[in-house]
Amino acid sequence: ETGVTQTPRHLVMGMTNKKSLKCEQHLGHNAMYWYKQSAKKPLELMFVYSLEERVENNSVPSRFSPECPNSSHLFLHLHTLQPEDSALYLCASSQNSGSPDEQFFGPGTRLTVL
Amino acid sequence: TQLLEQSPQFLSIQEGENLTVYCNSSSVFSSLQWYRQEPGEGPVLLVTVVTGGEVKKLKRLTFQFGDARKDSSLHITAAQPGDTGLYLCAGYSGGGADGLTFGKGTHLIIQP
Repeated sequence: ETGVTQTPRHLVMGMTNKKSLKCEQHLGHNAMYWYKQSAKKPLELMFVYSLEERVENNSVPSRFSPECPNSSHLFLHLHTLQPEDSALYLCASSQNSGSPDEQFFGPGTRLTVL
Repeated sequence: TQLLEQSPQFLSIQEGENLTVYCNSSSVFSSLQWYRQEPGEGPVLLVTVVTGGEVKKLKRLTFQFGDARKDSSLHITAAQPGDTGLYLCAGYSGGGADGLTFGKGTHLIIQP
């Protein structure tokens, strides 16, 4: 397995469910990111982790809870989501955060909240 | 807040035609990246431009960074169906942990 992987690829959940998205990078990078991609909007940065420590949280609602247990894994825990949270959630990694380093993206999880 | 405006938002052309897409901002960026995203996949980096006025070529793709480092363009010559995708520009202004500011992208369809 190489690059950045994400599971699941598709997820449908009700507003009262709790689910988690998983991201794994096999590139030896120090920084990992969660982005939200919605139609007609730019990629929205949600969270940044550098060496397993959260360094940026762009005012994301508390119903999204990230976890970075080590430099290779990143989770996004979801609970009591709203229909407007339906989007493609992309994970990315780069050598370092806060730099113009290339970001390597996973294929994303297509989330639908009913 | 720094914004990157991309135009056009959608473009559909015939195979073999040439096209240019634009990425504009009122802010100065120290570097700018172009990514292509295909359906069902994440964005993949095409190029990074760093110097004002810089031109980089990648086969049939030509990327230019504006002299003032506020804008960039991507020109595709003799477009092919494999060029179809969402083209995203992302600027880096320095400082802050997040690094990149992304535009909304240009959806490009090349019809055979």
